[in-house]
This record gives sequence, structure tokens and C-alpha cells, in this order.
Amino acid sequence: QKEVEQNSGPLSVPEGAIASLNCTYSDRVSQSFFWYRQYSGKSPELIMSIYSNGDKEDGRFTAQLNKASQYVSLLIRDSQPSDSATYLCAVSPRTGGFKTIFGAGTRLFVKA
Amino acid sequence: DAGVTQSPTHLIKTRGQQVTLRCSPKSGHDTVSWYQQALGQGPQFIFQYYEEEERQRGNFPDRFSGHQFPNYSSELNVNALLLGDSALYLCASSLRGPTDTQYFGPGTRLTVL
Repeated sequence: QKEVEQNSGPLSVPEGAIASLNCTYSDRVSQSFFWYRQYSGKSPELIMSIYSNGDKEDGRFTAQLNKASQYVSLLIRDSQPSDSATYLCAVSPRTGGFKTIFGAGTRLFVKA
Repeated sequence: DAGVTQSPTHLIKTRGQQVTLRCSPKSGHDTVSWYQQALGQGPQFIFQYYEEEERQRGNFPDRFSGHQFPNYSSELNVNALLLGDSALYLCASSLRGPTDTQYFGPGTRLTVL
């Protein structure tokens, strides 16, 4: 079992729709959770971080964390073609500067 | 406020050679982590430096080594290059603390021929 699992996609949604990206992790003691966006040929760019159960909203993005189910998700509302990218889920076992483990990413295509 | 910078942008080497990649962290950050990202994969953790010491290491051979300088900048060295070392090498910096959010540099694309 991979430590951080994501559906590789591609996930295709029409412009204006909600894109839902999911991620599961295996280490139950994980404390910090991140979503990064990566355009082709570029480096990952931080979108959201979440540390406690529940929802966290930032503009069109909402991160959801359920530690009991070891599940974290990212919702993108009003999806735009510029949102087309690979979305990486990342998990850190503990806070305080320990290594971050990345999933392989989900490719999202937003059709105009 | 300068972000994370890396040099060089691209590099072409041949098998058996050695390479050094450089990273300057975001202003105010004290921790540098290095990742290797192969095509179609997520970044794989190589190691992390804090207070000029290697604090954690991923599943990479000893051919991969690093250093952190007093100004928090860092180098990644790879010896005896293999074809499989071809990848995007990413540096990420963070401020050690309860929220260790990492910010990535633009990366160095290494091609081994």
C-alpha cells in the first residue's frame, strides 16, 4: 500500500463546475496535510494546508480533512481552464519540520 | 521578498559524472528539503537539512549527499550518475515549527546521458 494515494485521472470537468480531488494516506499519526498544484514543466505551488478535521476554505478552494477515515480532499468551485494542472496531495507525519510524503498526483482538465 | 531560488535551471551530464545543485531558501526560512521528481510521479523526499545537519533522509543511496551553509542555503551532490538519476530536482524551504509548510523553488532539470 502506498503511503499517499491519489487517483491519477485524468479528471475532466466543464468550466464552472466543481472539481473534487481525493487523497488517502496510510500513516494514522499524520498531522499536516497539503495540496499543491503543478503545471506541466513547473514546480509545485502550494494551494492549501490543513491540520485539523473539518473544512478549510480559501477563495474557490476548500480542503476537507477526516483523520478517522485517513482521507483528505480538495474541492475547486467554479473551475476555470487555468485550473488545468496536476494536483499533488502531501502528508507530513508530524509537525516540526519532518519529511513530507507526496502522492503521484491527479491530473485535472477543465474544458472551456 | 525573494522566494526559493535554484541553480542551474537545466543540466546535462553523462553517466559516472558528478553534479552539484544549489538552493537558496525563501527569506526567513531555516530548513531546506530536497526532492527528486521523475516524470509522471510525485516528488520523492531525498533529505532535509536544518542547522547545517541532515535531519532526515529518504530511501536514496549514499551517492546522494548534501550540505547546508550558515546562511541556510544548501547544495545537493550526486556522485556516479546513473541514467535513472534523470529527473527534476526540487528544493523546498520552510520555517521549522508547528506549521512546517514547504515552498518549492523552480527546480533543476537533470538529464543523464
